[in-house]
Amino acid sequence: SQKIEQNSEALNIQEGKTATLTCNYTNYSPAYLQWYRQDPGRGPVFLLLIRENEKEKRKERLKVTFDTTLKQSLFHITASQPADSATYLCAPPKGFGNEKLTFGTGTRLTIIP
Amino acid sequence: GAVVSQHPSRVICKSGTSVKIECRSLDFQATTMFWYRQFPKQSLMLMATSNEGSKATYEQGVEKDKFLINHASLTLSTLTVTSAHPEDSSFYICSASDRVGGNQPQHFGDGTRLSIL
Repeated sequence: SQKIEQNSEALNIQEGKTATLTCNYTNYSPAYLQWYRQDPGRGPVFLLLIRENEKEKRKERLKVTFDTTLKQSLFHITASQPADSATYLCAPPKGFGNEKLTFGTGTRLTIIP
Repeated sequence: GAVVSQHPSRVICKSGTSVKIECRSLDFQATTMFWYRQFPKQSLMLMATSNEGSKATYEQGVEKDKFLINHASLTLSTLTVTSAHPEDSSFYICSASDRVGGNQPQHFGDGTRLSIL
């Protein structure tokens, strides 16, 4: 069955360091993968989308990579700040060309001042 | 940017009550909206796809008679939890895209926390 695994339920990083979050998937061949941020009691907010033919995507301090051989996406936040503390979710589509997304359980990131 | 509004943000009611949750796209039209449920410390689970002008499509294991979805206009979808029981208590979230087709970011509402006593 299809599975999405995000590394460690919780991750603590010192302010100013780079936070790296991992998303591994099995029994998927996603054409793209999305990353979202979710704060407690709020809906997710879209951050980045990376396509299978893109090795890397950047947006300000965020960087996402997508390795279809390893079936893995990495999400990096450089120069992390306490305001980056949130749960980060990776979301591949349910199927080819599908609008529906499936979500990993997320990694709860805490940036320690 | 595209905004999705959800109402109410919180509902507390007695067992057996039916509860309606609204999801509106404020500045774009959405032929498709999605409804999710999220239990504490768990991921979002897709419940159903709401299609404007036609029947919703439900994910496996979701009771369509329990969770009624109506998508009467291009900016409004409603989810009604019928005869709610304590096990229906959860965080319900809707989403929509302001663009057509797969491969598009989703814009989420801020969710409705439903508590059934």
